[in-house]
Amino acid sequence: AQRVTQPEKLLSVFKGAPVELKCNYSYSGSPELFWYVQYSRQRLQLLLRHISRESIKGFTADLNKGETSFHLKKPFAQEEDSAMYYCALSGRVGKLIFGQGTELSVKP
Amino acid sequence: NAGVMQNPRHLVRRRGQEARLRCSPMKGHSHVYWYRQLPEEGLKFMVYLQKENIIDESGMPKERFSAEFPKEGPSILRIQQVVRGDSAAYFCASSPPAVSYEQYFGPGTRLTVT
Repeated sequence: AQRVTQPEKLLSVFKGAPVELKCNYSYSGSPELFWYVQYSRQRLQLLLRHISRESIKGFTADLNKGETSFHLKKPFAQEEDSAMYYCALSGRVGKLIFGQGTELSVKP
Repeated sequence: NAGVMQNPRHLVRRRGQEARLRCSPMKGHSHVYWYRQLPEEGLKFMVYLQKENIIDESGMPKERFSAEFPKEGPSILRIQQVVRGDSAAYFCASSPPAVSYEQYFGPGTRLTVT
């Protein structure tokens, strides 16, 4: 079954601390993986995708096929990073499968 | 470009009534997707449409739910005879042709069934 699991509902860190949002997936083929973010009162938007291997707003995510994980990391969290983060998988054209989301709270 | 538009933003219906949710994709986008978010859950895929075609409706409940994306006008998600369990946030997304992973989301419609 295709599934995305984000084990943490809420992650709270202090400003300047490293942050890692966990994401594990279940998919039999070769999935594409993404992180979407929703800041307060804003729309859900694409943060990054694994194929591009780029860093957006200091965030990176590496696809680990052995552990079926796609954790999102940032070495130094900022208050403006506080948001809901959703890991998503695309196995078939058009269909995104989302995890339950992790709320990141960065305290001053 | 105004982005993906959804209306209404909030919709209240009594049990048994019909709910119609509208989605206007971004300019130049011909692919539309509908997702549902129940309380405390992530977004769940419902249906993927192109103009006048349903491409994938594997996430749509078998009864009472239907979706269309006509040649002219917005995409419509229609829920007949609503029940309390239909209360949720419904999100629409659009993408340009051939780039389906890059989905741009609307603000959502929050449906409350009383």
